[in-house]
Amino acid sequence: GESVGLHLPTLSVQEGDNSIINCAYSNSASDYFIWYKQESGKGPQFIIDIRSNMDKRQGQRVTVLLNKTVKHLSLQIAATQPGDSAVYFCAETRHISSGSARQLTFGSGTQLTVLP
Amino acid sequence: NAGVTQTPKFQVLKTGQSMTLQCAQDMNHEYMSWYRQDPGMGLRLIHYSVGAGITDQGEVPNGYNVSRSTTEDFPLRLLSAAPSQTSVYFCASKGTFKETQYFGPGTRLLVL
Repeated sequence: GESVGLHLPTLSVQEGDNSIINCAYSNSASDYFIWYKQESGKGPQFIIDIRSNMDKRQGQRVTVLLNKTVKHLSLQIAATQPGDSAVYFCAETRHISSGSARQLTFGSGTQLTVLP
Repeated sequence: NAGVTQTPKFQVLKTGQSMTLQCAQDMNHEYMSWYRQDPGMGLRLIHYSVGAGITDQGEVPNGYNVSRSTTEDFPLRLLSAAPSQTSVYFCASKGTFKETQYFGPGTRLLVL
């Protein structure tokens, strides 16, 4: 079946260290991937995305890596800060039948805790 | 812009009651969707709409109805609430041919 899953449900890092959050997907047809950050009591917030024709994309303090061979992507956060504490979701999309619509499939999430 | 707004923030229902979760966006987005979020299961798509007058089912549509009479609004209706519908509900929208979905703050629903 199709699934997008995360290897670890929780991750604790020291403030200032780098964080790496991993995600596996199973649908070879997925061609677009997104990382979302969800703080407690709020909706998911877009962080960074990557298309399947790329293997790396960088943003401000964040980098997403995509390995299509093993169907794996990761989110790297540099110099992790207390404000980075949140649940991080990976999501994959692929075209469905209705025009420009895409189905967004989420992983179960990783809780990142930044320790002082 | 207010972005995506949802009301109410929190609701308690008894089994069998009906209610409508409201969602509105002021970004002129054609695509809108409803997700539910349960512990350890991520977000699952309930229904979506690619434009006014057009709706379709997602992964978990049973027990929910939607309509899209305007571009701005996409209400989600529970006709007869069940305890299994206890969840946090998120509405999202995106522009046509855009990929990034913008989420509302969520509605926390408890069905007793």
